[in-house]
Amino acid sequence: AQSVTQPDIHITVSEGASLELRCNYSYGATPYLFWYVQSPGQGLQLLLKYFSGDTLVQGIKGFEAEFKRSQSSFNLRKPSVHWSDAAEYFCAVGVQGAQKLVFGQGTRLTINP
Amino acid sequence: NAGVTQTPKFQVLKTGQSMTLQCAQDMNHEYMSWYRQDPGMGLRLIHYSVGAGITDQGEVPNGYNVSRSTTEDFPLRLLSAAPSQTSVYFCASSFGGGNTIYFGEGSWLTVV
Repeated sequence: AQSVTQPDIHITVSEGASLELRCNYSYGATPYLFWYVQSPGQGLQLLLKYFSGDTLVQGIKGFEAEFKRSQSSFNLRKPSVHWSDAAEYFCAVGVQGAQKLVFGQGTRLTINP
Repeated sequence: NAGVTQTPKFQVLKTGQSMTLQCAQDMNHEYMSWYRQDPGMGLRLIHYSVGAGITDQGEVPNGYNVSRSTTEDFPLRLLSAAPSQTSVYFCASSFGGGNTIYFGEGSWLTVV
């Protein structure tokens, strides 16, 4: 069965520092992979997605993610975080043509000033 | 263009009561789905629909009912609310085929 693991429940970084959020997936076929961000009390916003092609994917708000098939990973990165990046981040794998999403547990990001 | 609209945003129910969470989208999307979000568990799929008149179960369907009589609407019914159904519920929609899935802003439900 498909699953997604986000090993870090909570991460704290200083403003201006680099960020990497980890995501590992288990899926038998070629995965469709997503990163969503959720601000407190809000819905989910798509940051980026990977379906095929270039394994380094650029998203909104300066985020990028790299798909590594050999490691079953899709880690999210940002070179320099801003206080407004504080939120919860979810990695997800899409099944059945990417219309059903299986989510990881989420990583809560705190930014120190 | 309102996107995906969920109502109500907040609701408190007593155990055993029934209610319907409404979801509407104005993007002519074929695919619609309901997820619930619980602390430490991410979002889990409750039910989904690939078009009007077609619905199917997701990962956690027990205690919930859905129907899809129109393309625009996909209501989620709680038949007899239980405290375990206290959660945040999200409706989502898309064109399918790998297109972006759009989420509503969520409905916070507390069952006492």
